[in-house]
Amino acid sequence: DTEVTQTPKHLVMGMTNKKSLKCEQHMGHRAMYWYKQKAKKPPELMFVYSYEKLSINESVPSRFSPECPNSSLLNLHLHALQPEDSALYLCASSQPLNRVRTEAFFGQGTRLTVV
Amino acid sequence: KNEVEQSPQNLTAQEGEFITINCSYSVGISALHWLQQHPGGGIVSLFMLSSGKKKHGRLIATINIQEKHSSLHITASHPRDSAVYICGPYSNTGNQFYFGTGTSLTVIP
Repeated sequence: DTEVTQTPKHLVMGMTNKKSLKCEQHMGHRAMYWYKQKAKKPPELMFVYSYEKLSINESVPSRFSPECPNSSLLNLHLHALQPEDSALYLCASSQPLNRVRTEAFFGQGTRLTVV
Repeated sequence: KNEVEQSPQNLTAQEGEFITINCSYSVGISALHWLQQHPGGGIVSLFMLSSGKKKHGRLIATINIQEKHSSLHITASHPRDSAVYICGPYSNTGNQFYFGTGTSLTVIP
C-alpha cells in the first residue's frame, strides 16, 4: 500500500465553523507533512511531524491546529478561517527526516472553500 | 529568496516533441523529487533521485549534485502529459521539501 489518503476531497465551510482534515498512510512512514497550495502556486509548507512530534511550524496562524494521534494519522483542525484560507491542502509522508534518499508520497488533497 | 528555480514557467509543445524542464537549487539536498500535478488534482511523484539518471517509460530525470541542477525530459510527448511539473529537492539540513514554482506544460495534438 503506497497511498496517502486524504478526506474529505472537498470541503465548504463558513467562517464560524470548526472542521477537520484527515490524512492517513500505512507505509510505516514516521514523517508527515501538511502543505497549502493556492492556485497556480507551488505548495507551501505548513507543518512537519516527525515520530508523531511537531518538528516544523512555518508560522502558521493558530486557526490551523495540527494533530498527529498516531504514526498513521495526521489531522488538521480548522477554526474561524478566513476566505483567503481557501486552497488545496496537501498531505505527504516520508521516511524519517534523517534518512537519506527520502521519498515522499502525496495525497490527492482536500479542496477547501471558506465562505 | 527562492531556494528552487525552474524553467521554463510555461511550455507549449506539439505532440511528439522532446521536452526538457530544468531545475536549479541552492540548498544542500539528499534527494530530489520530480512531481506531476494535473489541474485541480493532487500531486504524483514521478521520480526520486539522488544521483545520476532514472528512466520510467518516456520520462527521464537527471541530476548533477555538484552543479545543483536537475532536468526532466519527456520523449515523444503526448497530450496526456499536459500538467504542471514541480521540482522538489529534499533538504537534509532543513528537514523539509522545497518546491519550485512549477512548469505548466501543454501538449497540443
